[in-house]
Amino acid sequence: KNEVEQSPQNLTAQEGEFITINCSYSVGISALHWLQQHPGGGIVSLFMLSSGKKKHGRLIATINIQEKHSSLHITASHPRDSAVYICAVQKTSYDKVIFGPGTSLSVIP
Amino acid sequence: EPEVTQTPSHQVTQMGQEVILRCVPISNHLYFYWYRQILGQKVEFLVSFYNNEISEKSEIFDDQFSVERPDGSNFTLKIRSTKLEDSAMYFCASTGTGELFFGEGSRLTVL
Repeated sequence: KNEVEQSPQNLTAQEGEFITINCSYSVGISALHWLQQHPGGGIVSLFMLSSGKKKHGRLIATINIQEKHSSLHITASHPRDSAVYICAVQKTSYDKVIFGPGTSLSVIP
Repeated sequence: EPEVTQTPSHQVTQMGQEVILRCVPISNHLYFYWYRQILGQKVEFLVSFYNNEISEKSEIFDDQFSVERPDGSNFTLKIRSTKLEDSAMYFCASTGTGELFFGEGSRLTVL
């Protein structure tokens, strides 16, 4: 069984729509990461969470430790948001990161 | 903004050849990692490195793989005798305070 699951696997949205990507995990963690993988392959860290909620621009990430669930929200989506969004967890600080399968987002003008 | 740099960006090699992938982590970081992503699959952990030694390795990281930090700045991944199934994107990452910084990746194609 995968330790990190994401839904949906693929998502197509119209420009301007509010987007939610969900992540659930089955292990105890010290941190959860949301990452963005560009079409060229590079990975960028968006958020690192251990509790609560973080916001950066149009991106919001939340985590519920008790329910082992996190969400990434994108407000006023734009075609440049098109990428693969990956949820990843660490069991302890500085431990290896366990990656989810990713959610492929396509935002259409 | 500080960044992790990786070279080469793309390498094509023949099966059985040795390959060295290079990474320059962010200068004050202490924890280093190699991950790989086979085309169409999720990213997988290979090895973590701290205090000049391997702290953890996956079952993928067999005797054909090795890592080094030869000069205090570079962090290298060596594959001694490449196989077709080693074809993948290899990512280096580093951290100092927990936030992860990834390189752009090195795409390895084994023919």
